[in-house]
This record gives sequence, C-alpha cells and structure tokens, in this order.
Amino acid sequence: GEDVEQSLFLSVREGDSSVINCTYTDSSSTYLYWYKQEPGAGLQLLTYIFSNMDMKQDQRLTVLLNKKDKHLSLRIADTQTGDSAIYFCAVPGRGGSYIPTFGRGTSLIVHP
Amino acid sequence: NAGVTQTPKFQVLKTGQSMTLQCAQDMNHNSMYWYRQDPGMGLRLIYYSASEGTTDKGEVPNGYNVSRLNKREFSLRLESAAPSQTSVYFCASSGQGVNTGELFFGEGSRLTVL
Repeated sequence: GEDVEQSLFLSVREGDSSVINCTYTDSSSTYLYWYKQEPGAGLQLLTYIFSNMDMKQDQRLTVLLNKKDKHLSLRIADTQTGDSAIYFCAVPGRGGSYIPTFGRGTSLIVHP
Repeated sequence: NAGVTQTPKFQVLKTGQSMTLQCAQDMNHNSMYWYRQDPGMGLRLIYYSASEGTTDKGEVPNGYNVSRLNKREFSLRLESAAPSQTSVYFCASSGQGVNTGELFFGEGSRLTVL
C-alpha cells in the first residue's frame, strides 16, 4: 500500500509564505493532489500535478515535485487568514488503482 | 448543483444501536467512497464502490456494511455501534476522465456513540 506522510501543524504570519511538505512511498502514481478542508466542511481539490512535472504554479499556489526523493510540497504565497485550513496530500495507490491515499493532513494556522 | 449530499449531518447513538448514513451524488459518477476522519489519523477508507453493483473493502471495514443502491446512492450501515466508531464520516464520488483521482466530498456526518 501507499504511505503518505505530512507534518501535522504549521503556523505562519499573515503575508508570509507557507510551505507544506509531503512524502510518499509509491513511485507509480500518475497524479498527486492537494486537498483543502475548511472548518466544518468536506475536502475540496485545491490543485494537482502530473508525475512527469517538476513544478506547477497557479496564482498564489506553487506545487513542487521531486520524484527521486518522493517529496511533494505546496507553497502558498502571501498567506491570508482565509487560508487557515487543513491541507491533505493525496497520492493514488492501492496496487496502482486510482483511489488516492491521504496523508494525515497539515493544519495551517495563519496569525494576523 | 448539489454535488454530494450526506444525511444526517449529526447523530448521537448509544452503544449497540444501528443506523444508516445516506449519500447521494448528482454528477453521474461511477465511483463512490466512504471515509472516516479522526483527529491525527487523517482520512481512512472504509468501503468503496468502483461502479454500480460492486463494493469493496477499504482500510478499515470492520463494523460497517455498505449498499450501492443505484448509480447515485451509496449507504453506510453500522449494525451495532461502538464508541470506537465515533468519528466524522465523509462520502465522496469520482468520475471518469483525466482527473480520475479527483474526489468530490460531501460535508460530512458527525457521529457520536455513547
């Protein structure tokens, strides 16, 4: 099976950049995903990256993928209080199926 | 556009009671899933249904049963609830296409077993 590891907490000041890291074990994953969960809500897809890409940028979000080290990161520039949420790394696994395995989630706390 | 709808949103049960969590999606998705979310544990897959008429166990199926009633609906049943099943339960669905790993989630059902 797929193991996906994330740190549990990250605290930043408003306006700073946030970097959330994720490591995984299965190298056959085609897509890797970041989901966001706001308080009291379900998860929503934030962004994704193909496994043949090193970087993807989408407005304030930058996803970096190091396939050799099996390391995925999500950078949020100019972090706002509205970015406070839990961020989940998700990697398709389970014998090469499309079903993603989720990390434990990183709680991002943004201080004014 | 409702997306994925779960009912009930909140439920309190006594140990040994049974209940069914309902889930419906209106996106014509083939696959549906039930996850539970516990503090510090992230999301763990209970059961999934790759297509209408099929169901398979996930990571933590013990104590649960599921029914894929039709393409739209996927229910999760607790036959004899235990305090260890206190959790937030999420239903999700996914379709075909490029982003086959993208899941669409409901808002969650918060279950407390006393």
